[in-house]
Amino acid sequence: QVQLVESGGGVVHPGRSLRLSCAASGFTFSNYAMHWVRQAPGKGLEWVAVISFDGSNKHYADSVKGRFTISRDNSKDTLYVQMSSLRPEDTAVYYCARARFRGTVAGIFDPWGQGTLVTVSS
Amino acid sequence: DIQMTQSPSSLSASVGDRVTITCRASQNISRHLNWYQQKPGKAPKLLIYGASSLQSGVPSRFSGSGSGADCTLTISSLQPEDFATYFCQQSYSAPNTFGQGTKLEIK
Repeated sequence: QVQLVESGGGVVHPGRSLRLSCAASGFTFSNYAMHWVRQAPGKGLEWVAVISFDGSNKHYADSVKGRFTISRDNSKDTLYVQMSSLRPEDTAVYYCARARFRGTVAGIFDPWGQGTLVTVSS
Repeated sequence: DIQMTQSPSSLSASVGDRVTITCRASQNISRHLNWYQQKPGKAPKLLIYGASSLQSGVPSRFSGSGSGADCTLTISSLQPEDFATYFCQQSYSAPNTFGQGTKLEIK
């Protein structure tokens, strides 16, 4: 079955960096755009970034632009987000999610991974 | 950015009730509206996409309607497993923004 498994979360000091990974299985990873969506503790959902199926197009939320970099390795069926200059307001559960339809970056998210918690604190 | 506003923010209902959750966008988003269900400690799950298309595997008691700036999610007969938080989300333009959520609780 389709599965997404995030890893790499943890506690990090403000200003430091962290890289999250999302391992995909059960589908042809290279056919789908992939997204990162985050959820601060007890709060709503915020879209973070998207990368096209071939990695040629990337888009970011203004809140992370210039600090986060989304990437993918289709040979490893893995999605990444490199997060730098982290701030306390970046504290959240980070979910990776597949685009619902092949070949499009349209923001319909299905399925989602289980999430990984990033805590930015001194 | 397109702002998404859900109402109500919380709702108490009983098993067997019919409930409706509304989502209003700050501009016309046509039918580019999706609904997700999230249970505590779990990832969101897609229920409805394109305003009214039922995601595979989702029970038919869930339905969506609307277009333009206003959409609704209806659960025709609440089941115990439906008590959760529901989010709407627009996929009309980037950034793809979410509503603040509607927490559906047992009365």
